[in-house]
Amino acid sequence: EIVMTQSPATLSVSPGERATLSCRASQSISNQLAWYQQKPGQAPRLLIYGASTRATGIPARFTGSGSETEFTLTISSLQSEDFAVYFCQQYNNWPLFTFGPGTKVDIK
Amino acid sequence: QLQLQESGPGLVKPSETLSLTCTVSGGSISSSSYYWGWIRQPPGKGLEWIGSIYYTGYTYYNASLESRVTISVDTSKNQFSLRLSSVTAADTAVYYCALTIFGRIDYWGQGTLVTVSS
Repeated sequence: EIVMTQSPATLSVSPGERATLSCRASQSISNQLAWYQQKPGQAPRLLIYGASTRATGIPARFTGSGSETEFTLTISSLQSEDFAVYFCQQYNNWPLFTFGPGTKVDIK
Repeated sequence: QLQLQESGPGLVKPSETLSLTCTVSGGSISSSSYYWGWIRQPPGKGLEWIGSIYYTGYTYYNASLESRVTISVDTSKNQFSLRLSSVTAADTAVYYCALTIFGRIDYWGQGTLVTVSS
């Protein structure tokens, strides 16, 4: 099983600042990685797939990068609606897949 | 617009079987390249993939749950279902049904909380 880890567990950021979230895979997954945003009481929402492709309707301030085992999600200028939990998901052996434990982005 | 909706009991007794159904609207469950799946999230915790099914009935399960999980599909009703047997308190979670397209999860149901308690 491919194990996903995320860091940090919690990231405190001021509105307007940049946030950088990391995701690591236990073995190479090429670019088969997605990022999701989840707000309290809601289902997750797809932000990024293929490591760097923004999903439909996702603002340009969300940028995904990386390959093989190291991945990053960057939010260039945090807006109030961006404070949430972010999960990465590997789908290198889809239809099997695994999630990372999540990074909570909260207000500093 | 594709929509998914979970339904089923919100309370299940320990050792019994949890059963949920996901109804798909706005699209066909028989579409090629679509895998339909179940994902759960214990309160305050992360996401866990349970399993996925293709409309032909091919299934894939999380190895940690495989002995207790059955996912099935009913194309005539545009539904797929989850059964999880011998539940314990550790199975208390919000259960989501979802659609994966080439790996990414494009559509999620709203989620349904299932509590395991006597």
